[in-house]
Amino acid sequence: GIQVEQSPPDLILQEGANSTLRCNFSDSVNNLQWFHQNPWGQLINLFYIPSGTKQNGRLSATTVATERYSLLYISSSQTTDSGVYFCAVGGTGTASKLTFGTGTRLQVTL
Amino acid sequence: DAGITQSPRHKVTETGTPVTLRCHQTENHRYMYWYRQDPGHGLRLIHYSYGVKDTDKGEVSDGYSVSRSKTEDFLLTLESATSSQTSVYFCAISRQGQETQYFGPGTRLLVL
Repeated sequence: GIQVEQSPPDLILQEGANSTLRCNFSDSVNNLQWFHQNPWGQLINLFYIPSGTKQNGRLSATTVATERYSLLYISSSQTTDSGVYFCAVGGTGTASKLTFGTGTRLQVTL
Repeated sequence: DAGITQSPRHKVTETGTPVTLRCHQTENHRYMYWYRQDPGHGLRLIHYSYGVKDTDKGEVSDGYSVSRSKTEDFLLTLESATSSQTSVYFCAISRQGQETQYFGPGTRLLVL
């Protein structure tokens, strides 16, 4: 099956810093999503981005499908950004079955 | 908020006992999914459903069965729980014509 690798595995930032998280995948996909899992365990969908660039406030994401990677940018980080960020990929069709990476754990300190 | 609830939220059980987890949604979405989350593995798909009585296996389906007799409920059953099934279980939904998945709050299961 498809392999999903995320880097870095861990990241510590001071509040206000910027960061880039990367997701590489081993095969063509037409479904890519980014999620944030907060310290209480809740999973929040950040982006559905099979290709191109999207922005939502301080977060933006870019997927280059032809080169099989996606980037998540976090600008002016805040302590509430702490948690684990997951990339998930899959196909489309009767159900959007996703394969998840193992995540990037982000800690934002004061 | 996609109106997803999971029950129970926490459960401790013994090896060999049957366990059923419930996912309930209030918005009549067609697609529902069960994942498990374990350290070092991210989330892995167990089973999914594309309609009432329409289900299929995911990546890690061995030892699990599912049922969906109503649009709003998707049940995950461990027929005979094992310690390797200790995990956090998440239910998710996606809307017809959209790929975005929305997750429930999770159920933490400990099998002793």
